[in-house]
Amino acid sequence: DVKVTQSSRYLVKRTGEKVFLECVQDMDHENMFWYRQDPGLGLRLIYFSYDVKMKEKGDIPEGYSVSREKKERFSLILESASTNQTSMYLCASSLGQAGGPSTDTQYFGPGTRLTVL
Amino acid sequence: QKEVEQDPGPLSVPEGAIVSLNCTYSNSAFQYFMWYRQYSRKGPELLMYTYSSGNKEDGRFTAQVDKSSKYISLFIRDSQPSDSATYLCAPLGGNKLIFGAGTRLAVHP
Repeated sequence: DVKVTQSSRYLVKRTGEKVFLECVQDMDHENMFWYRQDPGLGLRLIYFSYDVKMKEKGDIPEGYSVSREKKERFSLILESASTNQTSMYLCASSLGQAGGPSTDTQYFGPGTRLTVL
Repeated sequence: QKEVEQDPGPLSVPEGAIVSLNCTYSNSAFQYFMWYRQYSRKGPELLMYTYSSGNKEDGRFTAQVDKSSKYISLFIRDSQPSDSATYLCAPLGGNKLIFGAGTRLAVHP
């Protein structure tokens, strides 16, 4: 069974703080993703990584950065949190190789609900 | 225009009803179409997927794609309260999924 874990279920931070969201997967997957989910907007891709130390911007990278030093771990960083970054953050991983659903099905963690005051 | 459009609902139906959930998409290059289900306070999980046009059935669930009209459907027969969740359509574009907004479904006893 694929397991994707996220460091916190709920997080409350203040405006201007630096925030780290951690994600770990245990299935040796190549690809990892960070999304944010907001009502009416669905899942929007922030960043993804297809290999260690590799990253690519998604649709809404502004205000975020990422780090992938080890294959199993993908971190999302909010350099200076703002109230419009209050959201549900979801991490996902997939085997990779762009071979269709058998390799590109994404497995999600439980999410981190971040509130920025 | 968004790449994938999905009515967010909410949709409320009685137990036993047939449910139809729909999406439209704009990129004719999409070949695989996934449906994810997300229970409250959980991450999405893959429900089923289809390739190109046609139907795929899995128990009470049927996924349908009409590529000529760029229309994706998920049908749930004999709906149960345990089907209450948000359903997200997601065409596969390369190695990325393009998610719709999700439709919230409530099945009441």
